[in-house]
Amino acid sequence: GQNIDQPTEMTATEGAIVQINCTYQTSGFNGLFWYQQHAGEAPTFLSYNVLDGLEEKGRFSSFLSRSKGYSYLLLKELQMKDSASYLCAVRDRDDKIIFGKGTRLHILP
Amino acid sequence: DTEVTQTPKHLVMGMTNKKSLKCEQHMGHRAMYWYKQKAKKPPELMFVYSYEKLSINESVPSRFSPECPNSSLLNLHLHALQPEDSALYLCASSQVPRASTDTQYFGPGTRLTVL
Repeated sequence: GQNIDQPTEMTATEGAIVQINCTYQTSGFNGLFWYQQHAGEAPTFLSYNVLDGLEEKGRFSSFLSRSKGYSYLLLKELQMKDSASYLCAVRDRDDKIIFGKGTRLHILP
Repeated sequence: DTEVTQTPKHLVMGMTNKKSLKCEQHMGHRAMYWYKQKAKKPPELMFVYSYEKLSINESVPSRFSPECPNSSLLNLHLHALQPEDSALYLCASSQVPRASTDTQYFGPGTRLTVL
């Protein structure tokens, strides 16, 4: 079956760094997405990884290891507006995009 | 322009009504998606169109009928819905699947309530 796991909730402090992990077991692999979703809003695209390694975009970085079925999203210099749900999603070999349940990130002042 | 637009923003309909949700993008994306999202749950894939052809139907009931009139437009026709179909319906688009770089952008969604 298809399975994508990420922690349900995390808490971090403003200005700090947080890493949100995602592990997956899917029918094939054609890329991994990270999204940010604020309550009541649509998901916002953050990153896409299809090759192993680290992709950096400003305060956000995403890492992929295909052999381990593992990715993480790294958020630096946390701001209060980063409080949101973070969704990991995998495109499988049939091009279906399967979402994990999301990680609710709480930022404390 | 990285915008996906959806209309209407909100829709309330009875179980006997027929309505349509509309989605539009002008990013040249050739893959378009419909998702359903319930509160505090992740989006669930419903349909995928690739090059204006239906490529994935995730066993969605026939009361939901997708249509892709051209590469920029995606519709979802609704008929005889049930109260449990109330949810946020999200449209998304992406480059052709399996591109070496990819992005997937979501529209703001249509919040549907079925009475």
